Amino acid sequence: EAQVTQNPRYLITVTGKKLTVTCSQNMNHEYMSWYRQDPGLGLRQIYYSMNVEVTDKGDVPEGYKVSRKEKRNFPLILESPSPNQTSLYFCASSTGGAGAFFGQGTRLTVV
Amino acid sequence: QQPVQSPQAVILREGEDAVINCSSSKALYSVHWYRQKHGEAPVFLMILLKGGEQKGHDKISASFNEKKQQSSLYLTASQLSYSGTYFCGTEIDNYGQNFVFGPGTRLSVLP
Repeated sequence: EAQVTQNPRYLITVTGKKLTVTCSQNMNHEYMSWYRQDPGLGLRQIYYSMNVEVTDKGDVPEGYKVSRKEKRNFPLILESPSPNQTSLYFCASSTGGAGAFFGQGTRLTVV
Repeated sequence: QQPVQSPQAVILREGEDAVINCSSSKALYSVHWYRQKHGEAPVFLMILLKGGEQKGHDKISASFNEKKQQSSLYLTASQLSYSGTYFCGTEIDNYGQNFVFGPGTRLSVLP
C-alpha cells in the first residue's frame, strides 16, 4: 500500500530538548516536504527536498533542520524546541506534476 | 506569497452546489486542490497545469485561468462526505519549489 509514515503521532516535550520526527515513504517519490498547520494559518511549508542530499528552506524554516540521506526518509529535527513550535506537523511526498501524499500528522506540544 | 481563498466558510444542504475560489498575485505553473477532514491528513483531489484546463473527479471539478492567476473548485450536488476544509496549493514553477497553500475554505454539508 502506498503510504507516507510519520512517527510519533503525538509528542509532548520540554523546551530545549532535541527531538526528531521521522518520515518515510514507499513510493520512490523524489519530492518530500514538511509542513506545519496552525489554526487560521493553513499549511505552511518548513523545508522541502527535491532528491537525496538536495534540500531547501520553505516559508517557515527557523528552528528546524532536515536531512535527506536516503530517498525514502526525510526526518525533521528540532534542535532546541520552543513553545511556539507547538503545532500539527505533516510530511508529504510527491513526484513531478502529481499531487502529494500526506502522512498522518504529528501533534507536537512543547511545554 | 500565500494565495487567497474565498469564501472562508460555506454551509450547504445536501444536493446544493458550491464554488471555492483561489487566486494568486503571481503567475502560476499549477494549482492543486486538497480536502482535509477534521483530525485527518489532507487528501489530494486534483492538479491543474497551466493551459486553462478543466478537470473533473466525480461531482467535483475545477478550472484554472492562468491569465487571471485564478482557480475555482466546483462541487455539485454536494454530499455529506464533502464536508471538510478545502485547500488550494500553488506552484510558480515545475521544480517542486515555492509550493504554497491557501488558508483553506471550511465547507459544511448539512442533511
